[in-house]
Amino acid sequence: DGGITQSPKYLFRKEGQNVTLSCEQNLNHDAMYWYRQDPGQGLRLIYYSQIVNDFQKGDIAEGYSVSREKKESFPLTVTSAQKNPTAFYLCASSIQGLNSPLHFGNGTRLTVT
Amino acid sequence: QKEVEQNSGPLSVPEGAIASLNCTYSDRGSQSFFWYRQYSGKSPELIMSIYSNGDKEDGRFTAQLNKASQYVSLLIRDSQPSDSATYLCAVKSNSGYALNFGKGTSLLVTP
Repeated sequence: DGGITQSPKYLFRKEGQNVTLSCEQNLNHDAMYWYRQDPGQGLRLIYYSQIVNDFQKGDIAEGYSVSREKKESFPLTVTSAQKNPTAFYLCASSIQGLNSPLHFGNGTRLTVT
Repeated sequence: QKEVEQNSGPLSVPEGAIASLNCTYSDRGSQSFFWYRQYSGKSPELIMSIYSNGDKEDGRFTAQLNKASQYVSLLIRDSQPSDSATYLCAVKSNSGYALNFGKGTSLLVTP
């Protein structure tokens, strides 16, 4: 079955450590996205990529980094520069086009103490 | 800043009633509109998409769009307890690539 796989489901880290969240899709979608969700909040865009080897900052990119070396993969690194990293992180993908909806992975819940 | 506004709720309706969820957006260039359902602790799942003014029906769900008023709504007929979730409105402008999300409306359907 096609879909988006995020791993791990839960992640615990100590403050000051970098951590990388995995996102893999087999939907053959060109575009991939990372969103962050805090309790009671909507989704906020961190980074997005429309094509391999290219990505753009979203609304809250500070303290995060991404790479897009393969069409299927869009890993997100949460660096020690991110002030409040504890959140629910959602990866999504879509085909190109104005009317294309986003399809989401199951999310990674990151807790930093 | 492109805003998408939703009443946070909770909106409580009895089983079998119609639930009405509303969303307004600030960017007049917005072209595509989506409703997602999110159960607690889970990721959002797409329910409806709408691109033209008017109504679009899919089973118990009806999406309504009024671009002049910058307003989009979701009606859920014959509400079931399993519909209890947070409903996220998402908007894409013709100049953007990603979706802008509202904070969501919490719906509670009581038996």
